[in-house]
Amino acid sequence: NAGVTQTPKFQVLKTGQSMTLQCAQDMNHNSMYWYRQDPGMGLRLIYYSASEGTTDKGEVPNGYNVSRLNKREFSLRLESAAPSQTSVYFCASIPGYMNTEAFFGQGTRLTVV
Amino acid sequence: AQSVAQPEDQVNVAEGNPLTVKCTYSVSGNPYLFWYVQYPNRGLQFLLKYITGDNLVKGSYGFEAEFNKSQTSFHLKKPSALVSDSALYFCAVRDLSGGSYIPTFGRGTSLIVHP
Repeated sequence: NAGVTQTPKFQVLKTGQSMTLQCAQDMNHNSMYWYRQDPGMGLRLIYYSASEGTTDKGEVPNGYNVSRLNKREFSLRLESAAPSQTSVYFCASIPGYMNTEAFFGQGTRLTVV
Repeated sequence: AQSVAQPEDQVNVAEGNPLTVKCTYSVSGNPYLFWYVQYPNRGLQFLLKYITGDNLVKGSYGFEAEFNKSQTSFHLKKPSALVSDSALYFCAVRDLSGGSYIPTFGRGTSLIVHP
């Protein structure tokens, strides 16, 4: 039972480079989320997808784009990486019910130099 | 808008002593409240949740949390701390009434249990 799988686990980018963070869940969950975690800031929502085919901005969407490719996969793209995007990125998924908890991936540690 | 506050960046406790990690929330309706734990270089793991009913909720690894509606708090507790409990703890809320199903997380509290 894999749960939520994120790739890659680590990445170093140069300023201006682009990359896509991949996330897949095998639990048939409706909603998926991308958060970034920075020291002292907790988890901040970048983008989310309430269901297949829909995406919406979260608290800190600037510099990012997302794609809900299908029900399983939700990718996060950095078009032109900046040092301010150095962070740990987490993908999460939740079933379609309000009383259920989130399931998180292991995270991607991204460094932009 | 919903929000969560964890007033302590760090909590230090001796092994064997009781621990409390504080959380207060703000929602416009009835909340669903959650605690998660994060070990180093890992994702967040669910500990326990309050949905409705008994104000004292029991969860994984001997943790429990008390929901207090009048004080809008949901503090995490454990009667006897273990060194292995040392981790980062996050409180989260989902608000029913506003239609916002998105979980909002606190900033996290680092729990350090000393041998």
